Amino acid sequence: QKEVEQDPGPLSVPEGAIVSLNCTYSNSAFQYFMWYRQYSRKGPELLMYTYSSGNKEDGRFTAQVDKSSKYISLFIRDSQPSDSATYLCAMNENTGNQFYFGTGTSLTVIP
Amino acid sequence: NAGVMQNPRHLVRRRGQEARLRCSPMKGHSHVYWYRQLPEEGLKFMVYLQKENIIDESGMPKERFSAEFPKEGPSILRIQQVVRGDSAAYFCASSPLRNSPLHFGNGTRLTVT
Repeated sequence: QKEVEQDPGPLSVPEGAIVSLNCTYSNSAFQYFMWYRQYSRKGPELLMYTYSSGNKEDGRFTAQVDKSSKYISLFIRDSQPSDSATYLCAMNENTGNQFYFGTGTSLTVIP
Repeated sequence: NAGVMQNPRHLVRRRGQEARLRCSPMKGHSHVYWYRQLPEEGLKFMVYLQKENIIDESGMPKERFSAEFPKEGPSILRIQQVVRGDSAAYFCASSPLRNSPLHFGNGTRLTVT
């Protein structure tokens, strides 16, 4: 079983739609949770960073962590064509040395 | 403030040659990570270094691969005697503190012919 599971998609939505991206994990020691956006031929870009359960909002993006279910989500409101990219979830332990990444979900927002 | 700088962006090597990938972390960042990315497989951890020290190299193959982060200069990921299976995108990331979110460079795409 992988440490982090993420549906690869692809996901295709019309402009203006609400997008929901999700990851599940198996390691209950994970404390820090991140979402990255990666455009083709570029490095991952940090979008959201959360610690512990709950919601965090930043503009059109909301990150949600449910530690009891080992489930994290990223919501994108009013999606734009420029949001078309691959979205990666990442997480690590408080005492860990490495960050564990999901395989990424490919999103296309159609104008 | 410049981001994480990786060079070269593209590197072509023939089987048996050596590949050297360089990474300059963001200013003020002393923690450096190397990850490898293959299609459909996501980012795989290779090694974590903190100025002159290798903290965790559990993700790096024991043979042919080595990494360093000297007191002065960039971090180097070195692959000796490359094979076709080494073809991938190699990403470097840095952070100011342990467990701080990683900031990535744009990667080096290694092709072994």
